[in-house]
Formats: sequence, structure tokens, C-alpha cells
Amino acid sequence: GAVVSQHPSWVICKSGTSVKIECRSLDFQATTMFWYRQFPKQSLMLMATSNEGSKATYEQGVEKDKFLINHASLTLSTLTVTSAHPEDSSFYICSASFLGSYEQYFGPGTRLTVT
Amino acid sequence: GDSVTQMEGPVTLSEEAFLTINCTYTATGYPSLFWYVQYPGEGLQLLLKATKADDKGSNKGFEATYRKETTSFHLEKGSVQVSDSAVYFCALIASGGYQKVTFGTGTKLQVIP
Repeated sequence: GAVVSQHPSWVICKSGTSVKIECRSLDFQATTMFWYRQFPKQSLMLMATSNEGSKATYEQGVEKDKFLINHASLTLSTLTVTSAHPEDSSFYICSASFLGSYEQYFGPGTRLTVT
Repeated sequence: GDSVTQMEGPVTLSEEAFLTINCTYTATGYPSLFWYVQYPGEGLQLLLKATKADDKGSNKGFEATYRKETTSFHLEKGSVQVSDSAVYFCALIASGGYQKVTFGTGTKLQVIP
């Protein structure tokens, strides 16, 4: 149980375009979802936390207007990278948790390459 | 603030060798402690966890004991396999109910035949 999926698993886009990444909880209702960014050979950096039906809380230094997060339902959160640039190329990982649980369940990640 | 410190890698071992990856933490109260594993090109998988002092988490031959007195949660395995090659992350969730995970920098393990 507690499976989280991400789509797409990898995406290549041109500089200046926007790309949307989906994160779904497949067998539970995710009251909270988290978005992380991982640079090569580095740890995960929390970008934002979102609760279903409310605005995401962004970590310091993360541009809200660039990384749009929507958590419209209890099973789906999306991250949209707007006007992508090569420096946005990274591995993006989402995680989800449900009410009453302190654990997070991680998705398999999405590799974004901006050319 | 909360922090997790892991030994730097990469760690290279021969198959069947004993593995220790050190992890220490700084946090107030009694955090929950985790080890995650990330295989190449994949997301994180929970390997094991411990939620209170002296608890031992174990899974797939890996073990880690929550040591409050030394603020440590070292990962051990008695006999590693090539398939254990991955990056291992030590992590904590602080007590208090908020689910934010603080990760260590990760330790890459390479097991050679």
C-alpha cells in the first residue's frame, strides 16, 4: 500500500516553455503532498508543501511564480515549471502523506531537462 | 534547526563485506529517524525507521538502532550484495507533528563482486 506515482518519468522541453509534472497517490488520500528537487549527487531539497484545497507553502528561496503547485484533490498534486530555463534541469520528486501519519511516501521522480 | 550528518561517500565494498554508514542528527525532542535508499534513476524507498530511543529498525538485512545518548542512527548490514549498490539517505522528522523531513546528504554505496 501507500503507492505514489509521478508522470512523466522524464521530460525534455525547450527553454521558455512550461512543463507540468503530476504526482498521484494511488491507494490512499493524500492530505499533504511535498515537492522536492534533487541536484546531481546531492540530497533532496524541499521546495514546497501543499495541503489539499489550499495554497502551497514554499520554502525560502523557492520562486512561487516559477514553480506553481496545485493540490486540487486528495489524490493529485501538480508542479508546473513556468518559463523553464536550463538551470531548472533537475530531478523532481514528490511525496505524500495522509492524515494522522508522519510518514511520507515518495514517488519515483521526474527528470526534467531544459534545452 | 534540525540537521542530519552522514559520512561522505562513496563507499566501495566487496561483496559479503560488512557495511556501516554513520549518521548523527541534531534535533529537539524525540524525532523519528529513517533510512531511505535510492537506486540509480529512481525515487526514494523507505528502508527502515525507528520512532523512539533504543528502537531498532530492520529490513532486508539492514539494521539501525536509535541512540538518543549519542544522537546516532548508524546503518549496518552484515553481508552486502552487489544489488545493494545505491545511495542511502539518513533522515528525520522532528517531534511536534509537522511532517517535514530533514535529509542527510546521502552516501553512495558501491559493492563490487
